[in-house]
Amino acid sequence: EAGVAQSPRYKIIEKRQSVAFWCNPISGHATLYWYQQILGQGPKLLIQFQNNGVVDDSQLPKDRFSAERLKGVDSTLKIQPAKLEDSAVYLCASSLGGSETGELFFGEGSRLTVL
Amino acid sequence: QKEVEQNSGPLSVPEGAIASLNCTYSDRGSQSFFWYRQYSGKSPELIMSIYSNGDKEDGRFTAQLNKASQYVSLLIRDSQPSDSATYLCAVNLSWGKLQFGAGTQVVVTP
Repeated sequence: EAGVAQSPRYKIIEKRQSVAFWCNPISGHATLYWYQQILGQGPKLLIQFQNNGVVDDSQLPKDRFSAERLKGVDSTLKIQPAKLEDSAVYLCASSLGGSETGELFFGEGSRLTVL
Repeated sequence: QKEVEQNSGPLSVPEGAIASLNCTYSDRGSQSFFWYRQYSGKSPELIMSIYSNGDKEDGRFTAQLNKASQYVSLLIRDSQPSDSATYLCAVNLSWGKLQFGAGTQVVVTP
């Protein structure tokens, strides 16, 4: 079974530029998450989708971050304009549903460096 | 702000010894708790889940939960160099929304 796919793996941009990350979850997984992990910290949830609807985006900085999950499968996370503090690994994860199992399957992550 | 607190470490453990990791959480309504392992440069992977007070054992890992004290722990018995990683405590706030701690780095020394 294929895992969660993410691209690009690495991205370096200047501040105020824009960037987009793509995620393809495990087939059949209804729930998709985007987490931000800053070096030395635990992952922080940015947005959670159930199928193509948003369940939680309370910690998404909406003035610069946006995310969509068209057709309830792939998802894209965009940052525009980027700030220095956005340097982090952006982890996409998926799970079968909004269940209590807590078993999230993570992709390899997209490492963003903002100069 | 709901929080999950862990000692950052590093926790240095001799090979073959027991590693003991602790985690406290602030949300009294949380019902499910998890330990994820994250190797350097890799993504987190689930190693243990626990839902009821008491102990849960899986191989060399034992998770302990005390909801009254809002405390979760992880014991790693017979620690091996391959256990060297950061261990993330996670609390399910609602509908699969996990709140992660900052993680405890474990270093197993030969």
